[in-house]
Amino acid sequence: DGGITQSPKYLFRKEGQNVTLSCEQNLNHDAMYWYRQDPGQGLRLIYYSQIVNDFQKGDIAEGYSVSREKKESFPLTVTSAQKNPTAFYLCASSYQGLLNEKLFFGSGTQLSVL
Amino acid sequence: DQQVKQNSPSLSVQEGRISILNCDYTNSMFDYFLWYKKYPAEGPTFLISISSIKDKNEDGRFTVFLNKSAKHLSLHIVPSQPGDSAVYFCAASSAGGTSYGKLTFGQGTILTVHP
Repeated sequence: DGGITQSPKYLFRKEGQNVTLSCEQNLNHDAMYWYRQDPGQGLRLIYYSQIVNDFQKGDIAEGYSVSREKKESFPLTVTSAQKNPTAFYLCASSYQGLLNEKLFFGSGTQLSVL
Repeated sequence: DQQVKQNSPSLSVQEGRISILNCDYTNSMFDYFLWYKKYPAEGPTFLISISSIKDKNEDGRFTVFLNKSAKHLSLHIVPSQPGDSAVYFCAASSAGGTSYGKLTFGQGTILTVHP
């Protein structure tokens, strides 16, 4: 079955620590995205990538970093510079990243701070 | 600044009745709108969309209405079923001069359909 796999499902971060969230897709989609969901708020875009080895900042990129070395993979690192990292993180992909393409989402990673 | 707003955090309806979920937006550049549905512990899944050149789009039990002058859209589910119980997100996009269509999401509305 084609889809998007996010791991781990739950992740805990100690203060000052960097953590990396994994996102893998086998849909052969060019574009991948990271969104953050906080209670009572909509999904907010962190980073997106339309092609391998290229990515762009979204609305709330500060304190996060990404890489896109392979088409299938788009890991997100939450750095120690992100002062409020507790949130639900969703990875998504779309065919080419063009206007009006629907997004396919993974099942998310809940990140909490110890 | 919340450009897409779903002002009702929750909605409860009886099975068989109509569910109406509302969404308001402030950015007049938005020209494409989508609804996503999310079950607990799962990612959102695409439900239905509408372009700004239309005022209605229907897909089975789901209909989305767009009122551009009021900057308002609504999702109607008729008849509602218990399996429709989920969080519904409204989202909007605009080309913004680029080929990339960024989605702006609302806060979501929790729909509960009682048997």
